[in-house]
Amino acid sequence: AQTVTQSQPEMSVQEAETVTLSCTYDTSENNYYLFWYKQPPSRQMILVIRQEAYKQQNATENRFSVNFQKAAKSFSLKISDSQLGDTAMYFCAFMKGNTGNQFYFGTGTSLTVIP
Amino acid sequence: NAGVTQTPKFRILKIGQSMTLQCTQDMNHNYMYWYRQDPGMGLKLIYYSVGAGITDKGEVPNGYNVSRSTTEDFPLRLELAAPSQTSVYFCASSRTGTVHNEQFFGPGTRLTVL
Repeated sequence: AQTVTQSQPEMSVQEAETVTLSCTYDTSENNYYLFWYKQPPSRQMILVIRQEAYKQQNATENRFSVNFQKAAKSFSLKISDSQLGDTAMYFCAFMKGNTGNQFYFGTGTSLTVIP
Repeated sequence: NAGVTQTPKFRILKIGQSMTLQCTQDMNHNYMYWYRQDPGMGLKLIYYSVGAGITDKGEVPNGYNVSRSTTEDFPLRLELAAPSQTSVYFCASSRTGTVHNEQFFGPGTRLTVL
């Protein structure tokens, strides 16, 4: 079975600063994908960034980047120049193989950006 | 496009009652999914569908049923509500089932069973 662990239930960061959210996972699969989703108070789930396990290069999306350590099974999210709109729950997720029916989520990290 | 819409937004049920959570997408996506999110937890997949007429179980299907008679609609049925089904339910869709097609989520339905 796949497990996704987010060990930081809550975090806070000053506006314009940088914050890193941690995620580890456990799997015996070789073909998988990793995601970070954002869930603001509206409860809408929004894809932030994704990483293919076969790619060594870390994914980046504007202010969001990941540090993917495959051997350590670690997948952290770095948010640079934090903005008030970044306040949300952030979920790390694992997808087994290449199909959307094998999706596993962590328990989430609540991030608050302080003005 | 409205994207993925869900109704109702909130519902309170008594133990043993039944209800259907509605989900509609207007993006002509083939794949649709139902998740539940318990307090302080991540999402867990209940059922999914790869196209009209085809459904399959996810990680936590017990106590639920689904149907997919059209591409647009994917209702989730609770037959005998139990307190353990108190949760927030999310519907999602994607063009295909591969990772290269993002899953789009609805706003969720908050269900309480008393």
